[in-house]
Parts: sequence; C-alpha cells; structure tokens
Amino acid sequence: NAGVMQNPRHLVRRRGQEARLRCSPMKGHSHVYWYRQLPEEGLKFMVYLQKENIIDESGMPKERFSAEFPKEGPSILRIQQVVRGDSAAYFCASSPSSGVYEAFFGQGTRLTVV
Amino acid sequence: EDQVTQSPEALRLQEGESSSLNCSYTVSGLRGLFWYRQDPGKGPEFLFTLYSAGEEKEKERLKATLTKKESFLHITAPKPEDSATYLCAVQVISNTGKLIFGQGTTLQVKP
Repeated sequence: NAGVMQNPRHLVRRRGQEARLRCSPMKGHSHVYWYRQLPEEGLKFMVYLQKENIIDESGMPKERFSAEFPKEGPSILRIQQVVRGDSAAYFCASSPSSGVYEAFFGQGTRLTVV
Repeated sequence: EDQVTQSPEALRLQEGESSSLNCSYTVSGLRGLFWYRQDPGKGPEFLFTLYSAGEEKEKERLKATLTKKESFLHITAPKPEDSATYLCAVQVISNTGKLIFGQGTTLQVKP
C-alpha cells in the first residue's frame, strides 16, 4: 500500500542549474498537487495537474518553473536556472478526485541551491 | 481574499495538560476544512476533514470541531509523541481543489 512517492528526498543544485523533482501518486489517484514550503513559511499551492493536463497553475512563478503529469510515469516539477531563493521543501499530494477528498502528501524533496 | 490564520504560533504543554489549537478562516465558500500533522523533515499527515458547521471528529487524543468561522483542534491529556506542527487548511468551493494552508501551530509536549 505505497503512499505518495517523491524523489529525490534531497537535491543540491548550483545556481543556474536545473532541478527535476518527481512525484508518483498513490495507486488509484489521478490528481496531483504541488506545494512549496519556504523556510519559516507555510505551505503554498503551486500547481494542480491531472493526467496530461494542467488544471490550475495559479501558484506557479511565471518564469523558470514548469510541471507535467504525462500519461505514463510520474509527475515532474522542473525548475530551470535555479536561484538561492528556490531553496525550499517541495511537496506533492495526490487525491482520487478534485472533490472534498483528503489529499495525501509525500515526504517531500528538499532543494538546496548553493 | 481567502485566508486561514492559526493560533497560537507555538504552544508548550506539560504531559497531560489539555489545550486547544485555533484555526480561523475567511473564505468565499467552504468546501472542506482539513487538519494535518507535520513532523520535522516529513510531509503532512492527514488527520481530519470537516465539511459543515457543528461537525466533530475524534481520533485518539485529538478532537476537531467546526463552526462557520473557525475550527478547533482539542488535545486531551497530550503525550510527548503528540509534539509536532499542526496544520489547518481549507478547500474553497470556487477553486479547483487546492488547499489554502495556515502557518501552523508548533506543539511541544514535555514529559
């Protein structure tokens, strides 16, 4: 009964490099949400995806950030040309629907930009 | 603007000393209110969902209640293992299912 799987758990990138964060939802879940938790701040919504579709990206920074959830494989959050301010914990959550269903979270990827 | 505010920011209790955490919300239309527990370095762990005013849910030493403007998480006779950050989040009718989180209450229970 695997939960939401995120990898890597820790990622170190130099400024200007690309970061790729992966998320496999729980079995039977087709809705994926990405959240970011900056140091000393709360969780902030970034993007909501269903298979092959971006439904809501209202929380995504306008530049350098992109997300996808292909028909096969995990959801990917991609950050191009990382800067120090991108250092944070990135969490993925999945749910079976967009209704009032509890979203289950992964353990997160902690990105450190040096 | 939809908002969630949690208080207090931090709470220290002695083992066995009961207390409550508050979550106040201002939203255009509430779909559901969620409580999560987060341990350091881990992802949020789901605790409860509340849908309508007057609803209550219990799990071990925790009890969550909901009114039209706020929710309380009551902790009865806490133990040191209850130490964690407790997060409140709302899902709004008009949006796509995303959660709007409060800043959290960090609870420390001393033996």
